[in-house]
Amino acid sequence: DTAVSQTPKYLVTQMGNDKSIKCEQNLGHDTMYWYKQDSKKFLKIMFSYNNKELIINETVPNRFSPKSPDKAHLNLHINSLELGDSAVYFCASSPVLGSPQNIQYFGAGTRLSVL
Amino acid sequence: TQLLEQSPQFLSIQEGENLTVYCNSSSVFSSLQWYRQEPGEGPVLLVTVVTGGEVKKLKRLTFQFGDARKDSSLHITAAQPGDTGLYLCALAGGTSYGKLTFGQGTILTVHP
Repeated sequence: DTAVSQTPKYLVTQMGNDKSIKCEQNLGHDTMYWYKQDSKKFLKIMFSYNNKELIINETVPNRFSPKSPDKAHLNLHINSLELGDSAVYFCASSPVLGSPQNIQYFGAGTRLSVL
Repeated sequence: TQLLEQSPQFLSIQEGENLTVYCNSSSVFSSLQWYRQEPGEGPVLLVTVVTGGEVKKLKRLTFQFGDARKDSSLHITAAQPGDTGLYLCALAGGTSYGKLTFGQGTILTVHP
């Protein structure tokens, strides 16, 4: 069983559309994250949820809205997609919030292409 | 915000060669992690270093944490094509509620 699974793996869409990416973890972790990796491979935190509560929001446009229905799921909805949103989006989870050795487990990524 | 400088950005070597990747900051790290990412996959944790001067080994990979905890290095001995991938250092822990701050990454290609 995949520990952190994201769907879809690929997403191609037109500018202006609304799309969602789903993430599920079966590790029993309390904390989940969304990261964005740009074309230069730079990986940057977007959001973090701990036990369904938003704890990190890194100056992300409000077109991006994360939703956590339970602690095993963290979805990302994007409104009015723009060309600059094209990137690979990674979901991750970790067992211990704020630990100096916060180990994060990443999904395989969702490659979003906005045309 | 602590920033991580990772170098080199690209590394293309022949099988059997040795290499070192560096990760530096102007501030002290509480702890630092190294991840490896293969094409089409997410990053996978290789090691966490916490104590200044710490050295950890993972088969042919050697990780060092500087005495002042402001720099770290990853050394690979006798690189193999299977080592090809993106290597990322990341700041972890502290008061940032679990946020990882990544360096720019090093894309390593090992040619057979």
